[in-house]
Amino acid sequence: ETGVTQSPTHLIKTRGQQVTLRCSSQSGHNTVSWYQQALGQGPQFIFQYYREEENGRGNFPPRFSGLQFPNYSSELNVNALELDDSALYLCASSIDGASGNTIYFGEGSWLTVV
Amino acid sequence: TQLLEQSPQFLSIQEGENLTVYCNSSSVFSSLQWYRQEPGEGPVLLVTVVTGGEVKKLKRLTFQFGDARKDSSLHITAAQPGDTGLYLCAGYGGSNYKLTFGKGTLLTVNP
Repeated sequence: ETGVTQSPTHLIKTRGQQVTLRCSSQSGHNTVSWYQQALGQGPQFIFQYYREEENGRGNFPPRFSGLQFPNYSSELNVNALELDDSALYLCASSIDGASGNTIYFGEGSWLTVV
Repeated sequence: TQLLEQSPQFLSIQEGENLTVYCNSSSVFSSLQWYRQEPGEGPVLLVTVVTGGEVKKLKRLTFQFGDARKDSSLHITAAQPGDTGLYLCAGYGGSNYKLTFGKGTLLTVNP
């Protein structure tokens, strides 16, 4: 139990649709990172939010966007869904960025695009 | 692009056996972390190694960081079925916000 909660846990969308995934960070954590984990792969960094600002971005197209709210919870939005977007989406929270500080992962949201 | 290569990709052993999994890179990492992930769950941090040559022990698990901070190993002694899971190594390289993960080693310990 890491204190990081994600919703929904599972969902199925059709190609071309849009999806919003939500993350509630651990109490006191001001940094949220999002990762995509395809089947049989390690997690890939999407982006990080620190105090409501995007703090860094991985190699993902602009149709992947995010938000962080004043209570430090976060959303990941994906537009124009493609079949390859099917994956486990992980949210991780930490204090003041990531490096040097322990990050805590949620259990993830399983997205299937058909 | 910094990459972490893990080997072996799959490992199936009997309870009581010892095993070592490896995490290698051509890049230097400021720190390396090992995670264990069970089906349907997020990765859980096992250990962070920071100093080249560092060795850390966590019960039956021994973690080592290479002298040049480019590689790491995880050794499990007397494996138990409860050790079954996906073991991931991850490191902070040039950026201080992005964790680069390997593809993982899927370990199955049979009773």
